[in-house]
Amino acid sequence: EAQVTQNPRYLITVTGKKLTVTCSQNMNHEYMSWYRQDPGLGLRQIYYSMNVEVTDKGDVPEGYKVSRKEKRNFPLILESPSPNQTSLYFCASRAGFMNTEAFFGQGTRLTVV
Amino acid sequence: KNEVEQSPQNLTAQEGEFITINCSYSVGISALHWLQQHPGGGIVSLFMLSSGKKKHGRLIATINIQEKHSSLHITASHPRDSAVYICAVRGETSGSRLTFGEGTQLTVNP
Repeated sequence: EAQVTQNPRYLITVTGKKLTVTCSQNMNHEYMSWYRQDPGLGLRQIYYSMNVEVTDKGDVPEGYKVSRKEKRNFPLILESPSPNQTSLYFCASRAGFMNTEAFFGQGTRLTVV
Repeated sequence: KNEVEQSPQNLTAQEGEFITINCSYSVGISALHWLQQHPGGGIVSLFMLSSGKKKHGRLIATINIQEKHSSLHITASHPRDSAVYICAVRGETSGSRLTFGEGTQLTVNP
């Protein structure tokens, strides 16, 4: 089954404690991206990757890092989480960066206290 | 003004009603996506279109490029259609980036 898998689904952590949210897709997609969703602001892109070792900033990259060492995986790293990073996070993948359907992970609800 | 505006923000309907959700955007686009977000949070892609009309079951999506407007229609609505519907566009000059509307919360009552 074609899918994008995020882990964990829920996470409560403390300010400053490094964390990683994993994202994996089984469709051999080139394009992957991370979004955060906040009330009243909709989905905003954090980082994206057009292929292995090719990543770039989205609209709200501050406080986040990503890596793309393998085509299937695109982890999101918060080196020093802060309460303003409390949000619902989605990973998504597409076959190409042009007009292709987007597949989303189930979301990770992160709370930073 | 947001690049992508959806209306209405909230919509309540009775089972069986015909539903329309609108999306207007302010930039030239190469594609528009309609997404569905379930109460549990997961997001599913419904349509991707760049012209005309697409239909899948009870769902119909249309787009008018000249008017910079798209509509999502649901025929014979059902309580399981209750979800947030999100419009997203890929601008002609924005590379691969998608810009999202804030979503329309649809509730269909039995």
